[in-house]
Amino acid sequence: EVQLVQSGAEVRKPGESLKISCTGSGFYFTTHWIGWVRQVPGKGLEWMGIIYPGDSDTRYSQSFQGQVTMSADKSISTAYLHWSSLRASDTAIYYCVRLVGGAPKWFDPWGQGTLVIVSS
Amino acid sequence: ETVMTQSPATLSVSPGERATLSCRASQSVSSDLAWYQQKPGQAPRLLIYAISTRATGVPARFSGSGSGTEFTLTISSLQSEDFAVYYCQQYNNWPLTFGGGTKVDIK
Repeated sequence: EVQLVQSGAEVRKPGESLKISCTGSGFYFTTHWIGWVRQVPGKGLEWMGIIYPGDSDTRYSQSFQGQVTMSADKSISTAYLHWSSLRASDTAIYYCVRLVGGAPKWFDPWGQGTLVIVSS
Repeated sequence: ETVMTQSPATLSVSPGERATLSCRASQSVSSDLAWYQQKPGQAPRLLIYAISTRATGVPARFSGSGSGTEFTLTISSLQSEDFAVYYCQQYNNWPLTFGGGTKVDIK
């Protein structure tokens, strides 16, 4: 079964750093683009960017460029999303996704989501 | 940026009835259009890609149509498990963009 499993919910204070993870199984992780999507609770979906684990090539949405960093460790089929200094506005659910058949393409499957709460 | 606009925002439908959801792109996205379903507390799930191709395991009551800038998701006979939020997404150009969603609820 193709699946993406994400790390658990996190609570941080503004200014703190955070790295969340997404581990793939059931497919060749190295040759699929992995993306991240943000969803503020009660709101819609926003594409953040994608990474190619094979060579760590990345492409960011302008809205998120410089705000987050995507990375990957292909040896353990895991992608990461990192913040160096969180803001309250980063409070959201973050989903990782696999792009099917290259980029840009549709997303399937989706990880279960990681809830990030940033509050003082 | 290609802006995706979905309508209506909320659609109230009785079980067994037909539901028609619309998605409009601000510029042509060719056939690069997908639909996702999201139920409360769950991650979105791919329903349809390339305008009209159903993803694995998606029932035949879901169908997609359209071209260029106007697209439609039709649910032929709503079942209880279909009440959810539906999002369209274009993957023709960067940045990848989603519509704001249509919530299908019980009438």
